[in-house]
Amino acid sequence: DIQMTQSPSSLSASVGDRVTITCRASQSIATYLNWYQQKPGKAPKVLIYAAFGLQSGVPSRFSGSGSGTDFTLTISSLQPEDFATYYCQQSSSVPYSFGQGTKLEIK
Amino acid sequence: VQLVESGGGLVHPGGSLRLSCAASGFTFSSYWLTWVRQAPGKGLEWVANIRQDGSEKYYVDSVKGRFTISRDNAKNSLYLQMNSLRAEDTAVYYCARVAVLEWTNWFDPWGQGTLVTVSS
Repeated sequence: DIQMTQSPSSLSASVGDRVTITCRASQSIATYLNWYQQKPGKAPKVLIYAAFGLQSGVPSRFSGSGSGTDFTLTISSLQPEDFATYYCQQSSSVPYSFGQGTKLEIK
Repeated sequence: VQLVESGGGLVHPGGSLRLSCAASGFTFSSYWLTWVRQAPGKGLEWVANIRQDGSEKYYVDSVKGRFTISRDNAKNSLYLQMNSLRAEDTAVYYCARVAVLEWTNWFDPWGQGTLVTVSS
């Protein structure tokens, strides 16, 4: 099974900051990597699919990169609505797996 | 496009529960579907997938032999039959559509979730 590890687990940042979250897979997953955002009490929603594809309706300040085992999610200029928990997920093979999450908090 | 889960609740250890997910706004029979759960205060865990016609099903090891995913394309509904429930199955259960583009897939959209609590 493929294990996904995110870092950091939590992050404090200010509005306007550039933020990067990393995700590492235990084996190569090419670009079968998705990123989700989850706000408290809400269902997750996809931000990035296939490592760098921006989901329709998602602001362009979100971007993804990487391939193989190492991936990043970047938010170029944090907005108040971006404070949430972010998860990576591999769709290379079942059982699909998620990272443990990165909680982005206001500094 | 909308997915609405139902059927959650409080159940004793060893008991059973059947979750439902009603879909609307898209051609239900054309998509793989999935269940994902989230224990209180914890991260996301993929539970099961089902092919468009129900001919292929996949499960996470921790639920194999206890949970069964199924669908009724005539009713635009997805199900999760959960038997031999354990305390560690306590979670919010989400259904989601599996979006596909060429060689890759992701989960979009998700339902609002239904809470399953396993406790004596």
